[in-house]
Amino acid sequence: GAGVSQSPSNKVTEKGKDVELRCDPISGHTALYWYRQSLGQGLEFLIYFQGNSAPDKSGLPSDRFSAERTGGSVSTLTIQRTQQEDSAVYLCASRRTGGETQYFGPGTRLLVL
Amino acid sequence: DQQVKQNSPSLSVQEGRISILNCDYTNSMFDYFLWYKKYPAEGPTFLISISSIKDKNEDGRFTVFLNKSAKHLSLHIVPSQPGDSAVYFCAVTSGTYKYIFGTGTRLKVLA
Repeated sequence: GAGVSQSPSNKVTEKGKDVELRCDPISGHTALYWYRQSLGQGLEFLIYFQGNSAPDKSGLPSDRFSAERTGGSVSTLTIQRTQQEDSAVYLCASRRTGGETQYFGPGTRLLVL
Repeated sequence: DQQVKQNSPSLSVQEGRISILNCDYTNSMFDYFLWYKKYPAEGPTFLISISSIKDKNEDGRFTVFLNKSAKHLSLHIVPSQPGDSAVYFCAVTSGTYKYIFGTGTRLKVLA
């Protein structure tokens, strides 16, 4: 596709359940980022991928959060044993090698009840 | 400790007037600066950027100004239009992979 896509667009889950969020970056973009935006807050960096490796996972809030990227393309962000404070919009962005502009997907709105 | 600050959470401007959104940063190592616009229920979209070798970049109604000595960035929109109503984020980077975003300013352009 022409832009970054994310699925699902909305997810409602019960506390304690696991969720998986998906990001399809722009074709050929080697850099991929996950961010989180909680209500009324800015964009919080979670993790950065260059190709399939994640040189910076420093933003992941706890060990319940993990992410992987396969084939240098699709990435999944997994949250295990979700908590209410995980409710937020999760945004994915991609960037081509050498470029300085990130291109964002529409986000996944996660609500943990 | 916030490295990037947008001190105005909201701004209202009359249609046709100038909108000025501000952003301050703390680290002089940052050398590339971006503005993004975000509509509700959508992801941020890239608007305009500037590198540290310049002090101004213009694209249509949008101009970004960089004052390196003051570590201050501003976005001017003129004339403002109702469709410009959105949340605007500034972002900074130092040539590495990492981008730091401000908390955003909600602009409302009144018709």
